[in-house]
This record gives sequence, structure tokens and C-alpha cells, in this order.
Amino acid sequence: TQLLEQSPQFLSIQEGENLTVYCNSSSVFSSLQWYRQEPGEGPVLLVTVVTGGEVKKLKRLTFQFGDARKDSSLHITAAQTGDTGLYLCAGVDSGGGADGLTFGKGTHLIIQP
Amino acid sequence: NAGVTQTPKFQVLKTGQSMTLQCAQDMNHEYMSWYRQDPGMGLRLIHYSVGAGITDQGEVPNGYNVSRSTTEDFPLRLLSAAPSQTSVYFCASRGDTNTEAFFGQGTRLTVV
Repeated sequence: TQLLEQSPQFLSIQEGENLTVYCNSSSVFSSLQWYRQEPGEGPVLLVTVVTGGEVKKLKRLTFQFGDARKDSSLHITAAQTGDTGLYLCAGVDSGGGADGLTFGKGTHLIIQP
Repeated sequence: NAGVTQTPKFQVLKTGQSMTLQCAQDMNHEYMSWYRQDPGMGLRLIHYSVGAGITDQGEVPNGYNVSRSTTEDFPLRLLSAAPSQTSVYFCASRGDTNTEAFFGQGTRLTVV
């Protein structure tokens, strides 16, 4: 069974601060997806990283895929209250069992004004 | 675009009752999945389908049935509801294993 460990589980910071969320596994994934979920809604894809060492930027959000494709990080610069939500990483394994998508348990992020 | 549509959005059941959660997608996606989301447990896969007529069990299948008679629809049936099935249920679809998963808005189910 493939597992994705996300840390921290909860994070509450002030607006304007920087933060990093981590997604770690002992398994190799063909790609890794990051989703954001707001209360009462389903998760929505933010980005997919595919190549080991890849860095993608989405405005103030920076996503990195580890060189060995086992881990990933999400860094938010100058956090805003609108960044509040549940952030989920999901590993894609085309050759794995089940439906090929393994979710971490998520990081609950609260940005206080 | 409608995307993935789940109904109902809220439901209260009594222990032992049965019901069907509906899920429909209009993107012609082959892959469809059902998850439950509980505090501290993340998204757990219940059942999934890789195409019409093909279904398989996920991590937590007990107490649930699915069928996939068409590409568009993937209903989830609770045979005899139990309080342990109180949860938020999400349906998702994808074109293939490497692409984005599109989620419905979820069904919040309470079993009393």
C-alpha cells in the first residue's frame, strides 16, 4: 500500500507570512498533484508536477517535485486570507493498484488577518 | 459546463435504511471513483471504475455497492446504513490515470 504523509496537519499563521507544506512517501510516483479544498466543496486541482526536480509556480505558490519523485513541497509566499483551505497532495501511479491515485490526509491552512 | 454532479447534497438516514447517492459526469471520462472524507482520515477510496461495466473495490468497500452501466453515471448504494457511514462522500472522474481528477460538491450523510 502506497502512503503519502503530509505535514503539518494543521497550520495557522498571520497574513503576510511565508509557509511550506510537505508531502512525503517511500514510494515513487509518476507524477504528483496538489489540490485545494474549500469548506462545502470538492477538491480542485492546483498543479501537477511530473519530472523529478521540477518546480512550478502559480502566482505566490511554488510547487516542487523531489528529484527521486517520492516527495513534494508547496511554498506560499506572503500568505493571504484567501489561501485558507485544505491542501491535499495526490500521488499518481499508473502501474499501481486500485485507481492509481493516492491522497495524503491533507494540511488544514488558516491564514489570519 | 456541469462537470461532476452529485445528488443529494445533504441526507439524514436512520440505521438500517438504504439509499443511493447519485453521480453523473458529462466529460466522457473513463475513470470514476467514490471517496469518503472523515476528519483526520483524509480521502479514502470506496469503489472505482475504469469504464462502463467495470468496477472494483477500493480501501473501504464494506457496506457499499456500485455499478457502472453507462460512462456518465456511477451510483453508490448503501445497503443498510450504519452510524459508521456518517461521512462526506465525494465522487470524482478523470480521463485517465495521469490526468486531473474532477470532484463533485459532495454529499454530507448522517446516519442516526
